[in-house]
Amino acid sequence: GAGVSQSPRYKVAKRGQDVALRCDPISGHVSLFWYQQALGQGPEFLTYFQNEAQLDKSGLPSDRFFAERPEGSVSTLKIQRTQQEDSAVYLCASSGRTGGYEQYFGPGTRLTVT
Amino acid sequence: AQSVTQLDSQVPVFEEAPVELRCNYSSSVSVYLFWYVQYPNQGLQLLLKYLSGSTLVKGINGFEAEFNKSQTSFHLRKPSVHISDTAEYFCAVTPRTGRRALTFGSGTRLQVQP
Repeated sequence: GAGVSQSPRYKVAKRGQDVALRCDPISGHVSLFWYQQALGQGPEFLTYFQNEAQLDKSGLPSDRFFAERPEGSVSTLKIQRTQQEDSAVYLCASSGRTGGYEQYFGPGTRLTVT
Repeated sequence: AQSVTQLDSQVPVFEEAPVELRCNYSSSVSVYLFWYVQYPNQGLQLLLKYLSGSTLVKGINGFEAEFNKSQTSFHLRKPSVHISDTAEYFCAVTPRTGRRALTFGSGTRLQVQP
């Protein structure tokens, strides 16, 4: 079946612009995660949803970052007033009720802030 | 809190040779352990996982890993590598209860040479 999809795959933003990154999880997966992967580093957790509830947002680096999942399916990560340090790959992952904590990742959105 | 250390940032190896990628972790609680592979411009793909039971786990593409609780290690091995195994490999952990986020190591670049 279809995996996790993300759009756009690449985004170039001028410093100060707002951006919105979209994630379509695997159908039926209740859990959704966002991670940030800086160049040459491992992914770092940003936020977690169970259905539409945002249960953990402890990884969001500042109040410029905001995520939502209003209907418990598609999620959007929004970054306001982008800064150069926001340049990274943003990965979305979803997880079903397997009990094994497996997360299935999308291809990511590469954000470049100029 | 959890942390993951991948001691080798790069591992060059010749085709058909064996390889071991090292992973050590630190956690105050019991964890599940994972290895993911990332090919260029792609998301992360699950290679294998340790949840419980036998400490030797087998994954896709001929990879296996051994969980060693006393040494807090989860090293990844393959007896004979192929050119197509060239990729970035990430070790990750998540607590067995509570927080669902994955904590990743910084990755190991496996470069298979002909």
